[in-house]
Amino acid sequence: EAGVTQFPSHSVIEKGQTVTLRCDPISGHDNLYWYRRVMGKEIKFLLHFVKESKQDESGMPNNRFLAERTGGTYSTLKVQPAELEDSGVYFCASSQPAYMNTEAFFGQGTRLTVV
Amino acid sequence: GENVEQHPSTLSVQEGDSAVIKCTYSDSASNYFPWYKQELGKGPQLIIDIRSNVGEKKDQRIAVTLNKTAKHFSLHITETQPEDSAVYFCAASSGSGYSTLTFGKGTMLLVSP
Repeated sequence: EAGVTQFPSHSVIEKGQTVTLRCDPISGHDNLYWYRRVMGKEIKFLLHFVKESKQDESGMPNNRFLAERTGGTYSTLKVQPAELEDSGVYFCASSQPAYMNTEAFFGQGTRLTVV
Repeated sequence: GENVEQHPSTLSVQEGDSAVIKCTYSDSASNYFPWYKQELGKGPQLIIDIRSNVGEKKDQRIAVTLNKTAKHFSLHITETQPEDSAVYFCAASSGSGYSTLTFGKGTMLLVSP
């Protein structure tokens, strides 16, 4: 079974440009999360989808970040326009429905560098 | 909201020694405490977790203890091996894998042969 897959693995963009990160969760996982780790600090929650609906987006830093999960399958996270402080590793995770009480599986991450 | 503190930030041990990483949390409603191991170039991988209805859980060389009264939990790795070298993260949530996780800052463990 394929795990959580993220694209691209690395991205280097200039300040002011736009970048779109993609996450393909494990098939059948209703829950999809985005997290971010900035400069060796803790991994911080950004938002949570249940199927195609945003369950919690309290961790989104500002309105330059837009996440979508059309159709409840893969998700994209767009940063527009990118700023230097957006650099970090963006992780996606997925888990099965709540009643199954199982762990969250993480992708390998996308390392974003804004220069 | 929840706040998780993790110590130490780096830990160096000799192969065969034990390693202990400690975390504290602030939200008494938290009831699920996973530990993740992140190797270079990979995403965090769950290695063990514990729920608030138990005080200790073991899986071969890895064990986790939980003290709900004191709001702290610890990861214990015995007979460390070089392949245990990685960054370890503790986390807390008020649910299981379906709930959002609050992470500690991570511990870089280096096991020297």
